[in-house]
Amino acid sequence: IAGITQAPTSQILAAGRRMTLRCTQDMRHNAMYWYRQDLGLGLRLIHYSNTAGTTGKGEVPDGYSVSRANTDDFPLTLASAVPSQTSVYFCASSDSIGTGAYNEQFFGPGTRLTVL
Amino acid sequence: GQQLNQSPQSMFIQEGEDVSMNCTSSSIFNTWLWYKQDPGEGPVLLIALYKAGELTSNGRLTAQFGITRKDSFLNISASIPSDVGIYFCATADPYSGAGSYQLTFGKGTKLSVIP
Repeated sequence: IAGITQAPTSQILAAGRRMTLRCTQDMRHNAMYWYRQDLGLGLRLIHYSNTAGTTGKGEVPDGYSVSRANTDDFPLTLASAVPSQTSVYFCASSDSIGTGAYNEQFFGPGTRLTVL
Repeated sequence: GQQLNQSPQSMFIQEGEDVSMNCTSSSIFNTWLWYKQDPGEGPVLLIALYKAGELTSNGRLTAQFGITRKDSFLNISASIPSDVGIYFCATADPYSGAGSYQLTFGKGTKLSVIP
């Protein structure tokens, strides 16, 4: 059982370069999310997708774009990386069953990105 | 945006001791969550709370949803080395009609256990 996979595990990138972080889930979850984690700031939502074909902005969307062409994949693109985007990036997914109870978000192992 | 104030920021404790941490907000929430992040991994859900005053246990972990709905507490009893990690409180707001939730995380409590 893979759950959520992210690639690459880590990356060092020159400022100004374009970079796509990959996220794939095999749980057939409708909803997917991207977070960044910075020291002392916890996790902050970048973008989300409630279902294939739709996306939305989170708390810190500037400088990032996402697409959701199918249920399983949710890539995050940095069009022109800047040093302030140095962070650990986590992808997550959740079911969207409307029972009223929280549909747990399951997190991937993360991608450590350094922009120089 | 919403802010959750989580404390303490870090803790060093002896193995076998009990641990308490808490999270407060100026806003009322209907769902409080506690996640744990092991070193080098993504967060994993420990406990979800849905009702003011609710007390829920998961093994040696006990969490409470505050009566005012503006706070939550997590206690760990008889700590062991594998309790090491970062503990996050979070609140969950449903996206309208979608069945998915927007999470807001606290800044985390980093726990170190001395054998």
